[in-house]
Amino acid sequence: EAGVTQFPSHSVIEKGQTVTLRCDPISGHDNLYWYRRVMGKEIKFLLHFVKESKQDESGMPNNRFLAERTGGTYSTLKVQPAELEDSGVYFCASSQLGGETQYFGPGTRLLVL
Amino acid sequence: ILNVEQSPQSLHVQEGDSTNFTCSFPSSNFYALHWYRWETAKSPEALFVMTLNGDEKKKGRISATLNTKEGYSYLYIKGSQPEDSATYLCATGGGNKLTFGTGTQLKVEL
Repeated sequence: EAGVTQFPSHSVIEKGQTVTLRCDPISGHDNLYWYRRVMGKEIKFLLHFVKESKQDESGMPNNRFLAERTGGTYSTLKVQPAELEDSGVYFCASSQLGGETQYFGPGTRLLVL
Repeated sequence: ILNVEQSPQSLHVQEGDSTNFTCSFPSSNFYALHWYRWETAKSPEALFVMTLNGDEKKKGRISATLNTKEGYSYLYIKGSQPEDSATYLCATGGGNKLTFGTGTQLKVEL
C-alpha cells in the first residue's frame, strides 16, 4: 500500500513569490492534515480536512495560506505571497475516519530567500 | 505542564547501550499519546499509540509506558543499534490535531 506522498520534496523561492504544495493521502483515508516544522521548533498543526471539508483550520498562520481538497482526494497548500518566516518543513498526514494513527508523508522543505 | 515537553533534547550512546527518554504532557483532557520515529528527509514513522493509564507497548527492542495521571510517557530502546539513530517525537491528541514535543535526537555510535 502506497504511503502519503508529497510534492515537491524541496522548494526554494524568493520572498513575494507563490508556492503550491501537494499532498496525496493514503487511498481511502478521509482525514487529511497539514503540519509545519520551523527549524529547531516542534511540528505544529495547520489544518484538518474531513473529505473535502475543513474541519479545523485554527493553526493556519494568516490569510497568505490557502488549503484546498477538492473532491476529497489530494490536497494543496498555497502560500501567496511567501515571506521569510514561512521557511520550514511542511508535512501532510492522513488517517481513516475514527482511526487513531496519523500517517505522515516525507514533507516538503520550503526555503524562502 | 502546559505543553508537550521531551527530554533530553539530544543523546549520544554507544552501540549496545540501552537508553530511555521522557515525554511530559498536560494530564487534563488527555486523549492519546503517540510516539513517532523520524529520520530527516523521510516520513515520521508511527511507533505507538497509547490511550490507557498504565499502557505498555512493545515493538522489537523498543517499548513505551504511559502514566496519564501524572502526565508522562517513557520510551525505552534496548541494545541500541546505529540504525536506531533518529529523532523520536511524542505527541498528544487524536482524531483531530496532534500537539508535538520538540523531539529527542538519538545518535548511536559504533
